[in-house]
Amino acid sequence: NAGVMQNPRHLVRRRGQEARLRCSPMKGHSHVYWYRQLPEEGLKFMVYLQKENIIDESGMPKERFSAEFPKEGPSILRIQQVVRGDSAAYFCASSPPWAGANVLTFGAGSRLTVL
Amino acid sequence: AQTVTQSQPEMSVQEAETVTLSCTYDTSENNYYLFWYKQPPSRQMILVIRQEAYKQQNATENRFSVNFQKAAKSFSLKISDSQLGDTAMYFCAFILLTSGTYKYIFGTGTRLKVLA
Repeated sequence: NAGVMQNPRHLVRRRGQEARLRCSPMKGHSHVYWYRQLPEEGLKFMVYLQKENIIDESGMPKERFSAEFPKEGPSILRIQQVVRGDSAAYFCASSPPWAGANVLTFGAGSRLTVL
Repeated sequence: AQTVTQSQPEMSVQEAETVTLSCTYDTSENNYYLFWYKQPPSRQMILVIRQEAYKQQNATENRFSVNFQKAAKSFSLKISDSQLGDTAMYFCAFILLTSGTYKYIFGTGTRLKVLA
């Protein structure tokens, strides 16, 4: 049973380009969470999704950032027109529907570098 | 609002010795979970130990144990018989045990280096 799979592990973008980060939750997990880790900081909540639904996106910047978790396929975190301040590690976590968020499994993260 | 504070940015310990990492938190709620996560250089977030606030007994996982002082809002991690593989960032985290809550609050981390 594979864990939470994130790709790419490393992504380099120039300012103004788009970044797409993918997350495949653990088998049987239907809840996905995205967290961002800025350099030398702890993880900060961005968004919580269930299949085809955004439950809470209160931690996401209002502009340029969007997330989806379609019925089929991985969850996608999309950052449009990236800026240097978007450089960070982006972590995805998933949980089963019966356990709640106190049983989270994290992926290995995607490190975005904006030149 | 809930907060988590880790006041030790960096620590080091000799191999086979014991080290304690500090964590304090602030909440007005009574039911919550506390966690310690390990982040090695690979950046994977690995759950080390978990404590339910309603349990008085301190959680233990092999060489890892916590000292949970609910009244003082303190949640320290003790690593016994430190090993080189314990070198990592350690994050303390908190989540409310309330229906509909799911946001983890993380501290800023303690970088632990185990010396040979």
